[in-house]
Amino acid sequence: EAQVTQNPRYLITVTGKKLTVTCSQNMNHEYMSWYRQDPGLGLRQIYYSMNVEVTDKGDVPEGYKVSRKEKRNFPLILESPSPNQTSLYFCASSLSPNYEQYFGPGTRLTVT
Amino acid sequence: AQKVTQAQTEISVVEKEDVTLDCVYETRDTTYYLFWYKQPPSGELVFLIRRNSFDEQNEISGRYSWNFQKSTSSFNFTITASQVVDSAVYFCALSRFSGAQKLVFGQGTRLTINP
Repeated sequence: EAQVTQNPRYLITVTGKKLTVTCSQNMNHEYMSWYRQDPGLGLRQIYYSMNVEVTDKGDVPEGYKVSRKEKRNFPLILESPSPNQTSLYFCASSLSPNYEQYFGPGTRLTVT
Repeated sequence: AQKVTQAQTEISVVEKEDVTLDCVYETRDTTYYLFWYKQPPSGELVFLIRRNSFDEQNEISGRYSWNFQKSTSSFNFTITASQVVDSAVYFCALSRFSGAQKLVFGQGTRLTINP
């Protein structure tokens, strides 16, 4: 079954404690991206990757890091989380940004 | 810079009414793509439609229809004879054909269909 998986689905953490949210897709897609969803702001792109070792900033990259060492995986790293990073995070993959995005189920992150 | 505006934050209608969700976009590109996604109460994001800037034909899929007007930079979505299952947040999005490969979403419209 074609899918995008994210882990964990829910995470409560404290300010400053490094965390990683994993994302994996099984569709051999080249394009992967991370979004955060906040009330009233819609979905905002954090980072995207056109292929292995090719990543670029989206509209809200501050406080986040990503890596793309393998085509299927695109982890999101928060090295020093802060409360303003409390949000719902979605990973997505597709052939390119001009095609349908396949979204993961979301990760709800709370930073206290 | 690219921007997508969904001015309607929330819409509430009674079942069987027709409802239109507005989407206005800004871009300097001549070639681009527009999308609609649905996010039901369960939280997943579901793709509805993709349209490129060269294709201004309106599209109909069952009770759903989309009106793309390049002259007004709008890509509106109409649900005919709405049903309770249509209750969701709907997002409009815009991507570039070339250049920075970002995808920009609107703020979303929360649609509630009351029985």
